[in-house]
Amino acid sequence: GAGVSQSPRYKVAKRGQDVALRCDPISGHVSLFWYQQALGQGPEFLTYFQNEAQLDKSGLPSDRFFAERPEGSVSTLKIQRTQQEDSAVYLCASSLGRQETQYFGPGTRLLVL
Amino acid sequence: KQEVTQIPAALSVPEGENLVLNCSFTDSAIYNLQWFRQDPGKGLTSLLLIQSSQREQTSGRLNASLDKSSGRSTLYIAASQPGDSATYLCAVTVSGGSNYKLTFGKGTLLTVNP
Repeated sequence: GAGVSQSPRYKVAKRGQDVALRCDPISGHVSLFWYQQALGQGPEFLTYFQNEAQLDKSGLPSDRFFAERPEGSVSTLKIQRTQQEDSAVYLCASSLGRQETQYFGPGTRLLVL
Repeated sequence: KQEVTQIPAALSVPEGENLVLNCSFTDSAIYNLQWFRQDPGKGLTSLLLIQSSQREQTSGRLNASLDKSSGRSTLYIAASQPGDSATYLCAVTVSGGSNYKLTFGKGTLLTVNP
């Protein structure tokens, strides 16, 4: 079956622009995660959803970052007023349950100029 | 705060060599530990998952060990092949309510030369 997909794969934004990154999880996966991976670093946890409920947003770096999963399937990570330090790869992962193996998408590479 | 360190940062070996990648973590109260592979432009692929009660896991040419008390794990790759070239990431989840949250190391960039 299809894996986790993310779009766009690449995004170039001017500083101050708003961006929206989409994640399509594996069908039937209850849990969805967002991670941020800066160049040369490991991924860092941003937020976690169980179905449509955002149960943990402790990793979101500022109030410019907002994530939603309104119908418990597709999720969108929105970054308002982008800054250069937001440049990174944003990875989405899904799993059957919160403690199950997480399956990662290919990521969206965001470059803020 | 849990911190994960991977040594070495990069490794280059000739094809056929056996090799070991190292991972250490500061808080031994982990729920599980995973090794991932990341290829350029692609997402992470889970290779092996070791529960905190386990000592090792094996899959084909890969063997991962876990010493929770000392905060260490190793990934052993036997008879390396050029197709093994990738970045290998170690990640842990902590025990308790946040046992879904992966904390990653920076990874080891492996190059296997033909």
